[in-house]
Amino acid sequence: KAGVTQTPRYLIKTRGQQVTLSCSPISGHRSVSWYQQTPGQGLQFLFEYFSETQRNKGNFPGRFSGRQFSNSRSEMNVSTLELGDSALYLCASSLAGGNGFGDLIATSNTGELFFGEGSRLTVL
Amino acid sequence: AQSVSQHNHHVILSEAASLELGCNYSYGGTVNLFWYVQYPGQHLQLLLKYFSGDPLVKGIKGFEAEFIKSKFSFNLRKPSVQWSDTAEYFCALEGRGSTLGRLYFGRGTQLTVWP
Repeated sequence: KAGVTQTPRYLIKTRGQQVTLSCSPISGHRSVSWYQQTPGQGLQFLFEYFSETQRNKGNFPGRFSGRQFSNSRSEMNVSTLELGDSALYLCASSLAGGNGFGDLIATSNTGELFFGEGSRLTVL
Repeated sequence: AQSVSQHNHHVILSEAASLELGCNYSYGGTVNLFWYVQYPGQHLQLLLKYFSGDPLVKGIKGFEAEFIKSKFSFNLRKPSVQWSDTAEYFCALEGRGSTLGRLYFGRGTQLTVWP
């Protein structure tokens, strides 16, 4: 089955602009999480969504936002771009997080993550 | 505070050498532990995971890891590496029942294997 798909794969923006990145999870996966990967900081958690609800958020400024649609696809947005936002943005999807009947289980863990290839953002 | 430490930033080995990558974590509760691998030009993928039970877990491509609770460690091992094992390796933890939807990753260890 198809893996996690992220678009665009590469993009270049200038400071002050905004960007929207898209992620299509593996079919049937309802949990989508986002990570920022940089050489200096490694993998930093941005946020996680399940059934269109943000369940967890990392320590990033409010310029970073996201959402999830009813088909589990997710987008993240970064406004007022700064040079330091240059990074590889990874999306990951997971089966865990629900009971299979559409109910949100608050204490259910993510389990194994399936990552996309990432969107490489360069801010000039 | 929860964290994952990988002691080696870059490891260089010759083929057939044995490998051990260190991973220690800090978390005030029960954890699930993972090793992920990122081959050059490819996406991150799961190498192995520990949830409960036998603390020695086996993963793909001959890798194994041992969970030692008393040492808060989850070291990755392989008896004989191959050139194709050249990749970046990440240790990660998930707080069971509490850090919902979030994995904490180590900074990664770049493994280079010379043929």
